[in-house]
Amino acid sequence: GQSLEQPSEVTAVEGAIVQINCTYQTSGFYGLSWYQQHDGGAPTFLSYNALDGLEETGRFSSFLSRSDSYGYLLLQELQMKDSASYFCAPPRGTIFGAGTRLFVKA
Amino acid sequence: DAGVIQSPRHEVTEMGQEVTLRCKPISGHNSLFWYRQTMMRGLELLIYFNNNVPIDDSGMPEDRFSAKMPNASFSTLKIQPSEPRDSAVYFCASSRNTGGATKNIQYFGAGTRLSVL
Repeated sequence: GQSLEQPSEVTAVEGAIVQINCTYQTSGFYGLSWYQQHDGGAPTFLSYNALDGLEETGRFSSFLSRSDSYGYLLLQELQMKDSASYFCAPPRGTIFGAGTRLFVKA
Repeated sequence: DAGVIQSPRHEVTEMGQEVTLRCKPISGHNSLFWYRQTMMRGLELLIYFNNNVPIDDSGMPEDRFSAKMPNASFSTLKIQPSEPRDSAVYFCASSRNTGGATKNIQYFGAGTRLSVL
């Protein structure tokens, strides 16, 4: 079977750095993707890791450790507009984690 | 490209009525997904198609739900009869599935907000 676990909520202040963790159990692992969803909006793709290590895309980075079945999304220089839900998912994307709701405070 | 197009954006209906949700995937994409999202259950996969063929429909809650993909550019999700507990946002997504360890980025439509009274 497949499952992903994320914290339900994270709160941080503007300008700070926040890390959103994801642990997974999947069969036929093909990497880990991250999606962002604002309230009332649709999920949008953020980042993907096929191999171990860090992938950087602007203020967002994603890390993967296949041996630990673990990944995280790192958001730097937080802005109010980063307040949203963040989902981890295998790239075939047939399951999503329950999502982490990020609250950014001024 | 216009992205994934879903219609209608909002649907309000009465219990027992038939509801049909429509989706036009991005041209050239060969995988299509239907999701349901609620506060209680999060984002749930209902069914996904690969090359117009249903691959996994284990998420379809019951026989009241059915989905079709008659061609590469159109899919429907039908609920008959609808019930209040079906109230949710229904998303359609498409991707270009090339197999193996590739991104297979899913592009989501704006969703259909369904309210069953």
